[in-house]
Amino acid sequence: AQSVTQLDSQVPVFEEAPVELRCNYSSSVSVYLFWYVQYPNQGLQLLLKYLSGSTLVESINGFEAEFNKSQTSFHLRKPSVHISDTAEYFCAVSLPLPWYNKLIFGAGTRLAVHP
Amino acid sequence: EAGVTQFPSHSVIEKGQTVTLRCDPISGHDNLYWYRRVMGKEIKFLLHFVKESKQDESGMPNNRFLAERTGGTYSTLKVQPAELEDSGVYFCASSQESGGRLGGTDTQYFGPGTRLTVL
Repeated sequence: AQSVTQLDSQVPVFEEAPVELRCNYSSSVSVYLFWYVQYPNQGLQLLLKYLSGSTLVESINGFEAEFNKSQTSFHLRKPSVHISDTAEYFCAVSLPLPWYNKLIFGAGTRLAVHP
Repeated sequence: EAGVTQFPSHSVIEKGQTVTLRCDPISGHDNLYWYRRVMGKEIKFLLHFVKESKQDESGMPNNRFLAERTGGTYSTLKVQPAELEDSGVYFCASSQESGGRLGGTDTQYFGPGTRLTVL
């Protein structure tokens, strides 16, 4: 069975500081990896995903995540955060073919960016 | 293009009552998923429809939960009778392609969720 662990439930940070949200997963087979973000009063939005190829993936708003197979991690980073990045972030995995793609989520990390 | 919509946004009911949650996926999306988040815990998969057929219902907690997807369009999730532990946020998501063909590559688009409180 697959599982996802997000090591920090809350991460407070000052504006323009760097941030890393940690995610580790467990699986006996290869998985796809995702980061979703939930802004207040909104649904989850896909931030970025790793399927194959380059282990470093980027989002359009400056976040990046690196797939590390040996450490079974997919940490999310941003070099300089903004107030608008305040949200809850979810790491998730899904199985590749021939399995259907239900998502298995971590418990979420609340990022609070302070001025 | 309209996103995934869910109704109601909030529901407060008493233990033993019945509640029906509705999800309207993005038009043309074959795949529809239900997930649930109990307070402070991870979001958990409940079930997956491909068009009108249940593809995977391994996450449904018990037979008090009944999901349907009429004509492969909108879906309802009924809880009858509701128990205290059913409280949480119920999310619906949809994706376009058949998961059997693309596996885990297809982006799931989520609705805002329905917050269910059972007193």
